[in-house]
Amino acid sequence: SQTIHQWPATLVQPVGSPLSLECTVEGTSNPNLYWYRQAAGRGLQLLFYSVGIGQISSEVPQNLSASRPQDRQFILSSKKLLLSDSGFYLCAWNLQETQYFGPGTRLLVL
Amino acid sequence: SQKIEQNSEALNIQEGKTATLTCNYTNYSPAYLQWYRQDPGRGPVFLLLIRENEKEKRKERLKVTFDTTLKQSLFHITASQPADSATYLCALPPNTGFQKLVFGTGTRLLVSP
Repeated sequence: SQTIHQWPATLVQPVGSPLSLECTVEGTSNPNLYWYRQAAGRGLQLLFYSVGIGQISSEVPQNLSASRPQDRQFILSSKKLLLSDSGFYLCAWNLQETQYFGPGTRLLVL
Repeated sequence: SQKIEQNSEALNIQEGKTATLTCNYTNYSPAYLQWYRQDPGRGPVFLLLIRENEKEKRKERLKVTFDTTLKQSLFHITASQPADSATYLCALPPNTGFQKLVFGTGTRLLVSP
């Protein structure tokens, strides 16, 4: 069966520091992968999605970037974090129309 | 502009009653609509998908309706239990874009014993 992992589970970072969040999927090949952010009390915002290695589509302009160095690995990065980057970051993969989410990373930028 | 609207106020009901949650959308023409459950601090979990040619779909105590004329989906939980307490999100595909979903902000359901 398919499993999706995210780490770290929680992260506290100072403003201006770099960020790297990792997502890996097991049990499937060539999945579509997605990064979402959920701010406190708000809905899911799609940040990036990828249909294959090295193929990244950005949904919202911001100081975040994404990369897909391997088929089942999706990385979310920032060179300099802003306070507004705080939130709950979720990675997902899809099977046909349905999306399956990872456990998430809680990021607090201070 | 495109909108997906779910009641932002929490829905409080008593155990055993039927919970009904609403999802309204504007300026979308979705081929399907999905419902997800999200518990605090966890990622959403897929519950049901209903297609535009289906009026109703059931799964155990869950029932979803889809009215493309009213641009509305209703999500029912019958014989509700405290364990059903969670936030429920509706999601549908954007008018353009490859295998993406747009999510509503969700409605929190609280079931009291």
